[in-house]
Amino acid sequence: AQTVTQSQPEMSVQEAETVTLSCTYDTSENNYYLFWYKQPPSRQMILVIRQEAYKQQNATENRFSVNFQKAAKSFSLKISDSQLGDTAMYFCAYSNQAGTALIFGKGTTLSVSS
Amino acid sequence: DSGVTQTPKHLITATGQRVTLRCSPRSGDLSVYWYQQSLDQGLQFLIQYYNGEERAKGNILERFSAQQFPDLHSELNLSSLELGDSALYFCASSVSQVGSPLHFGNGTRLTVT
Repeated sequence: AQTVTQSQPEMSVQEAETVTLSCTYDTSENNYYLFWYKQPPSRQMILVIRQEAYKQQNATENRFSVNFQKAAKSFSLKISDSQLGDTAMYFCAYSNQAGTALIFGKGTTLSVSS
Repeated sequence: DSGVTQTPKHLITATGQRVTLRCSPRSGDLSVYWYQQSLDQGLQFLIQYYNGEERAKGNILERFSAQQFPDLHSELNLSSLELGDSALYFCASSVSQVGSPLHFGNGTRLTVT
């Protein structure tokens, strides 16, 4: 069974700095999809970024980018120019080729301070 | 606004009772997913429906059941409630099965007393 591991329960960063959140996953499949979701204090789940495993190029969305290392089964999220509004719990998630439900990691709580 | 509507927002009930959570997916989305988020757990996948049919089951208890109706809205029924069922229950929808991101509703906060 696929698993997703986020080894950093909590992280903190100052405004305008860069922070990287780690995620590793375990799968025997070759094609799959990876996601990062953000859950602010409002508890809403917000899609941050999506990566297709068969694409070599790392996905980027404004200040958010990923470092996808397929061989290492690693999928880290880099947040540049951190803002107070980035304070949230961040979840890494995996979806297999069959399209069944996302499997989530346990999350990393990120605190951005001024 | 994700376009996914969940009702009610909050629910307080006693142990042993039964409740129904409702979800309306985004317009055009055929897949509906239910997740449970407890305080000390991440998001646990419960069940998935696609166009009215059950497609995948996760860690859903036998006391829980769900269905997706012809108009694509879904209901999650929780019965014989226990204190440990207190959690945030999310519904999510997607346009297709493979690789599409899930769009989440705002959740239903269930408190069992």
